[in-house]
Amino acid sequence: QQKVQQSPESLIVPEGAMTSLNCTFSDSASQYFAWYRQHSGKAPKALMSIFSNGEKEEGRFTIHLNKASLHFSLHIRDSQPSDSALYLCAVASSGSWQLIFGSGTQLTVMP
Amino acid sequence: DTTVKQNPRYKLARVGKPVNLICSQTMNHDTMYWYQKKPNQAPKLLLFYYDKILNREADTFEKFQSSRPNNSFCSLYIGSAGLEYSAMYLCASSRRGSGNTLYFGEGSRLIVV
Repeated sequence: QQKVQQSPESLIVPEGAMTSLNCTFSDSASQYFAWYRQHSGKAPKALMSIFSNGEKEEGRFTIHLNKASLHFSLHIRDSQPSDSALYLCAVASSGSWQLIFGSGTQLTVMP
Repeated sequence: DTTVKQNPRYKLARVGKPVNLICSQTMNHDTMYWYQKKPNQAPKLLLFYYDKILNREADTFEKFQSSRPNNSFCSLYIGSAGLEYSAMYLCASSRRGSGNTLYFGEGSRLIVV
């Protein structure tokens, strides 16, 4: 059974900082990796996703995947107070394609 | 701006009573999901519909029922609520072949007393 774990559980950074969030998974056959963001009281919303090893950049956000080490990460450049939210990572295996989520990292960006 | 709507947003239920949660989406997505989220825990997939085919997770098979009378609408039914059912219930939808992106509603918070 796929296990997805996130670290850290919570993080406080100053405005303008580089933020790094981590996610590990247990199934080496996993095929799809995604980050979701949930602002307080709002619906979780897809942020970025990746299928293959390497990096993908979209604006201030970069996702990095290393399948061999069963790890992927989200990096936020020039963090803003509006980035304060719960960040959830999610993984899907090729067998089921159903997303298994981690328990989240609560990010607070201080102005 | 959300196109997945959930009702009710908040529900207070007595132990042993039934609970019915409703979800609708306007994106013509073929798949609809129900997740259960408790504080500091990962969202847990309870069940999903692909078109009219219901798939329930093995460990929640007996506890939750669902119906999907049309493509836009999906319900989650708890026949007899227990204290352990207190949680946020998140509905989501997706279109097969669109990269697995889930579109979530804002959730239904259930408190069982």
